Amino acid sequence: AQSVTQLDSQVPVFEEAPVELRCNYSSSVSVYLFWYVQYPNQGLQLLLKYLSGSTLVKGINGFEAEFNKSQTSFHLRKPSVHISDTAEYFCAVGPLGSGGYQKVTFGTGTKLQVIP
Amino acid sequence: DAGITQSPRYKITETGRQVTLMCHQTWSHSYMFWYRQDLGHGLRLIYYSAAADITDKGEVPDGYVVSRSKTENFPLTLESATRSQTSVYFCASRDRVYSGANVLTFGAGSRLTVL
Repeated sequence: AQSVTQLDSQVPVFEEAPVELRCNYSSSVSVYLFWYVQYPNQGLQLLLKYLSGSTLVKGINGFEAEFNKSQTSFHLRKPSVHISDTAEYFCAVGPLGSGGYQKVTFGTGTKLQVIP
Repeated sequence: DAGITQSPRYKITETGRQVTLMCHQTWSHSYMFWYRQDLGHGLRLIYYSAAADITDKGEVPDGYVVSRSKTENFPLTLESATRSQTSVYFCASRDRVYSGANVLTFGAGSRLTVL
C-alpha cells in the first residue's frame, strides 16, 4: 500500500518570496514521485517527476523538488514566486515496475496563493 | 485537435437522473482513468481501463458505470445520480509503461452538480 500526505492545505506567500510545499509519502515498495499543478478551471499538468538518480529534480516554471529517502519526503520549492504560480499543487506516488496497471496515489493538494 | 477532451464541461442535473460524461483521447493510449476531485480528498480513482473492453474498479466505483468499446473513448455513466456525486470529474490517459514513470495526461474536467 502507498499513501501521500500534503501537510498544508493552503499556503499564502508574497510575490517574489520563496516557497516550499511539503509532501511526505509511505510505501512498502520503491516508488516514482510526481508533482502536478492545477490552474483554475483546468486539468492537472505534470510539473516534475522523480524516477532515480539525482535527488534534486528540476521541473517547469522554475520549480524543483528534492527526494529524501530517509525522511520519505519530496518537497517542492521555488526561490521566487510569481502571481501566475497561483494554483493547486498535488504530490503523487506510483510504484516502480513495468507493464500492467500501476496505481498512482494523489495527495489532497496544496493551494498556493501568491499575494501581490 | 490532439489531446484529451471531456464533455460536457459543466452539467446540472437532478437526483435520480442518468448522466453520462464523455472522454475522448487522440493518442491511442492504452490506459484511461476516471477520477473525481473533492475538497479534502484530492483525486480519487473511480474506474480505469487497460484497453478496449477491459475495465476495472478503482477506489470509489459505487454508483458509476463505464464502458470502453473503442480505444479512444471512455464514457462514465451515473445511472441514478445522487447529491454525493456532485464533484469535478477528470479523465486521464497514459500509454502502456514498460519502464519509466507512468505519467498521466488529464482532461480539463467536467463539473457536475446534482440537485
